[in-house]
Amino acid sequence: QVQLVESGGGVVQPGRSLTLSCTASGFTFSSCALHWVRQAPGKGLEWVAVISKDGKNKYYADSVKGRFTISSDTSKETLFLQMSGLRPGDTAVYYCAKASPTNWAFFGDWGQGTLVTVSS
Amino acid sequence: SYELTQPPSLSVSPGQTARVTCSGDAMSKQYVYWYQQKPGQAPVLVMYKDDERPSGIPERFSGSTSGTRATLTIGGAQPEDEADYYCQIVDSSSTILFGGGTKLTVL
Repeated sequence: QVQLVESGGGVVQPGRSLTLSCTASGFTFSSCALHWVRQAPGKGLEWVAVISKDGKNKYYADSVKGRFTISSDTSKETLFLQMSGLRPGDTAVYYCAKASPTNWAFFGDWGQGTLVTVSS
Repeated sequence: SYELTQPPSLSVSPGQTARVTCSGDAMSKQYVYWYQQKPGQAPVLVMYKDDERPSGIPERFSGSTSGTRATLTIGGAQPEDEADYYCQIVDSSSTILFGGGTKLTVL
């Protein structure tokens, strides 16, 4: 059974940094691309970033490019999102999501999310 | 940049057919995926590659596409289908796009 458990959310001041983690289990970590997707309070879903299953390729939404960095540690089966230069508009629930082994472009499994609030 | 357009809301009576639409220029030649999200919960994949239903999703859910429009059809909607529904594609620049979401009320 696939499990994705996010952690690291909280309240942070504008301009500061925060790192989110997503611990995975129930599947071969290196077999699938992994994503971060966020959802601002009362709003829709927004894709944030993806890392390929071999960790070599990373893509970002324009809204976070240059500020956020996605990475993974296969030995710990953990996905990370380093967020810097945080803005109030980054306030959202951040979900970790797993792609299928053969298609990186959609989300078959999701974590329950971790809330990031950017406020002074 | 591309956008995917969904109607903000849709209301049907139990047992009626609900059709959730998603349109956008970027949709041509791209697979469409659909997610269901209930309040306070993470999204759930209900359709992939236009019309493929994941295991565990009821047969009343079906998907179709035509040109720049995709439709998620719930044949005989049930009260438990009340949720937000989002369409999703990957555009030509490998960016993942979501539609704005449709709130389906079954009442």
